[in-house]
Amino acid sequence: RKEVEQDPGPFNVPEGATVAFNCTYSNSASQSFFWYRQDCRKEPKLLMSVYSSGNEDGRFTAQLNRASQYISLLIRDSKLSDSATYLCAVNDLMNSGYSTLTFGKGTMLLVSP
Amino acid sequence: DTEVTQTPKHLVMGMTNKKSLKCEQHMGHRAMYWYKQKAKKPPELMFVYSYEKLSINESVPSRFSPECPNSSLLNLHLHALQPEDSALYLCASSPSGQLGSPLHFGNGTRLTVT
Repeated sequence: RKEVEQDPGPFNVPEGATVAFNCTYSNSASQSFFWYRQDCRKEPKLLMSVYSSGNEDGRFTAQLNRASQYISLLIRDSKLSDSATYLCAVNDLMNSGYSTLTFGKGTMLLVSP
Repeated sequence: DTEVTQTPKHLVMGMTNKKSLKCEQHMGHRAMYWYKQKAKKPPELMFVYSYEKLSINESVPSRFSPECPNSSLLNLHLHALQPEDSALYLCASSPSGQLGSPLHFGNGTRLTVT
């Protein structure tokens, strides 16, 4: 069984803080990784893909550590609007030859004034 | 705004009803998915269609029946559901269904079975 694990939180941080989330995955053959953001009672929305060399998009930085089988998301200068649940997703090949996403349970972030 | 459209947004149905959930995308994506998400849980895969063929069925009970009429449409037919089937049903699409393709989700249908 492929596992994707995240600390559920919540992470309570003040505006302007830097916060980091980790996500571990069990399948060493996993190839692609993503971070999604999900607001309460809404659908998950793709935040960013995670590349082997690490990648940055504005205040968000994603890192991949294949040796330790974890990915991370760093949010700098937190805004109130960053409050949401952040889902880690791992892309695996099924026996059928098609790929699917397996999600972690998500980490809740609450940014306060 | 999402480019994957799901209808209806909300649905309440009895255990003897038959209803259908609909999903549409016009991004030219060739893979479409149904996920189920219960409160405070991650989305769980139900079905995958690739090039209009059912490629993955994650041991979903037969009271859920998917249908892919064409490359832009995906339906989920519901019959004789149980209260524990109440959840957010999410449709998603991706360009090819191959590794490295992120999924793009619709707004979801919030289903309540009474």
